[in-house]
Amino acid sequence: DTAVSQTPKYLVTQMGNDKSIKCEQNLGHDTMYWYKQDSKKFLKIMFSYNNKELIINETVPNRFSPKSPDKAHLNLHINSLELGDSAVYFCASSQDGTGTYEQYFGPGTRLTVT
Amino acid sequence: AQSVAQPEDQVNVAEGNPLTVKCTYSVSGNPYLFWYVQYPNRGLQFLLKYITGDNLVKGSYGFEAEFNKSQTSFHLKKPSALVSDSALYFCAVRQYGNNRLAFGKGNQVVVIP
Repeated sequence: DTAVSQTPKYLVTQMGNDKSIKCEQNLGHDTMYWYKQDSKKFLKIMFSYNNKELIINETVPNRFSPKSPDKAHLNLHINSLELGDSAVYFCASSQDGTGTYEQYFGPGTRLTVT
Repeated sequence: AQSVAQPEDQVNVAEGNPLTVKCTYSVSGNPYLFWYVQYPNRGLQFLLKYITGDNLVKGSYGFEAEFNKSQTSFHLKKPSALVSDSALYFCAVRQYGNNRLAFGKGNQVVVIP
């Protein structure tokens, strides 16, 4: 019973390509997130959706576009990939309304741009 | 804006000894504080949280943390470290009414057999 799942786990692609990462959660949470973890393991929030509405949109190049078709799914599309986009991308979810607040993370997608 | 400082890059401890990982935070208003652990090539796993109430909170795998408002700290502790506790530990904070979570840089914990 995977709580937060991401596909693919590994993604190797060339500069200039467009790619997508998918995320699904089966926890019934109303909020989902995308994080980027760089080579130094530093974690940075990129986007957050609450009930399919964008609520956090950090300073991220507009080549990155999130999309939430429903509150259980949050996808990340990246256009014109660059070398600096190489990182591990984590999806997470949380349910704030019940007072739990903690975020549950997926296994990550390791993106390598060559 | 909220922020977290984890002053040490790496914490080395002998198996069976007490383990402490330090965290201080900065936030406007009441903090919500969290600890996560990351094993190699894995996602982050939630360990414990402080929202309100008792300053000493207990979490998974025998870990606990103490919220100290005057020192703005939330140090993670375990009385007796195991080799399997070797991992990367993250402290995180969010402020009341804001679901933006700010992470520290992480502490690598190495438990020596």
